[in-house]
Amino acid sequence: DTGVSQNPRHKITKRGQNVTFRCDPISEHNRLYWYRQTLGQGPEFLTYFQNEAQLEKSRLLSDRFSAERPKGSFSTLEIQRTEQGDSAMYLCAGVGQGTGELFFGEGSRLTVL
Amino acid sequence: GENVEQHPSTLSVQEGDSAVIKCTYSDSASNYFPWYKQELGKGPQLIIDIRSNVGEKKDQRIAVTLNKTAKHFSLHITETQPEDSAVYFCAASKGQAGTALIFGKGTTLSVSS
Repeated sequence: DTGVSQNPRHKITKRGQNVTFRCDPISEHNRLYWYRQTLGQGPEFLTYFQNEAQLEKSRLLSDRFSAERPKGSFSTLEIQRTEQGDSAMYLCAGVGQGTGELFFGEGSRLTVL
Repeated sequence: GENVEQHPSTLSVQEGDSAVIKCTYSDSASNYFPWYKQELGKGPQLIIDIRSNVGEKKDQRIAVTLNKTAKHFSLHITETQPEDSAVYFCAASKGQAGTALIFGKGTTLSVSS
């Protein structure tokens, strides 16, 4: 158990709907990452927070995607006007101070019909 | 940006045999190379990592080697067991705070008894 929890674990939605995923890292994780993983691929970097500040965003993160980390604790990833190509596993990872190790959550699987 | 290639994509071995997975990276500034194991329905979990100031690291049945000149690193699993069956990912980063890990596409290891 990495201590990183993600909700919901599964989400099925219709194209055009909005979805929001939540990530709760442990308090020691001052850095928080979002990755996307499609079937048969490795995780792809989306965005990263240092405490509450969003410091880096991948070009994969289109304007339909928005992430927040208010108060530097939990984080949310919202996808607006979902498309079938958004179907993937969305992984959240926390990083403790002084280490480079990413502690991943179990992921939130999105299926867009 | 960094690009990580991983081979083979699938690997089948008999229990007790050794397994080797190889990765190459493109950015000579990368200096942190972790390996993650992902079981079905779970997030990736770190199994071993190596930094550029060492050439080899071992942890029980798992070892990682790094050749900075050739920009490649490898995972070695000895005395494989059925529970080693999973998808393995290599990754690379510059190791600086906030620098995203770039993952390979993964190797599906199957260990048959």
